[in-house]
Amino acid sequence: AQSVAQPEDQVNVAEGNPLTVKCTYSVSGNPYLFWYVQYPNRGLQFLLKYITGDNLVKGSYGFEAEFNKSQTSFHLKKPSALVSDSALYFCAVRDMGGNNRLAFGKGNQVVVIP
Amino acid sequence: DAGVTQSPTHLIKTRGQQVTLRCSPKSGHDTVSWYQQALGQGPQFIFQYYEEEERQRGNFPDRFSGHQFPNYSSELNVNALLLGDSALYLCASSLFHRGVKNIQYFGAGTRLSVL
Repeated sequence: AQSVAQPEDQVNVAEGNPLTVKCTYSVSGNPYLFWYVQYPNRGLQFLLKYITGDNLVKGSYGFEAEFNKSQTSFHLKKPSALVSDSALYFCAVRDMGGNNRLAFGKGNQVVVIP
Repeated sequence: DAGVTQSPTHLIKTRGQQVTLRCSPKSGHDTVSWYQQALGQGPQFIFQYYEEEERQRGNFPDRFSGHQFPNYSSELNVNALLLGDSALYLCASSLFHRGVKNIQYFGAGTRLSVL
């Protein structure tokens, strides 16, 4: 069964510094990978996805993610963090067998310190 | 262009009661998926509806059931509520024909508290 792991519970970063949120996945075959962000009392907002092609995927709000097949990782990155980036970030995977369900990680709380 | 809307936003029930949650998909979308997000956890897939039929189901008991209407909106029903059913219930909509490449768009959720 497909799964993702987000090893850190919370990521603290100073405003203006680079932000990285880690994700590793496990899936049979090639994966489809997603990042979502959740603000308090809000639903999940789609940030970006990897389907195929370039390993570096660019998404919304200046975020990008790097797909690494050998390390089975899909880390989310932002070159310069903003205070408004403080939120809960979820990595998700869907396998390519026609199964449309998403398997989410437990999430990472990002705190950007002014 | 309206996004995914869910109602109600909050709900308080007691053990043993039944509850119905509602979801209207994003305009143009035909597929609705439901997820349960317990406190401090990631969303867990409950089931997915397309063409008014349940297409896929996660590891949830039969107390969880659903329905999709001809206008693509959907309901999630939970019978015989347990304390452990307290969670944020998220609805996501997508386009079926895009297959595994589709993006699921989420509503703000319904916060269910079971006392």
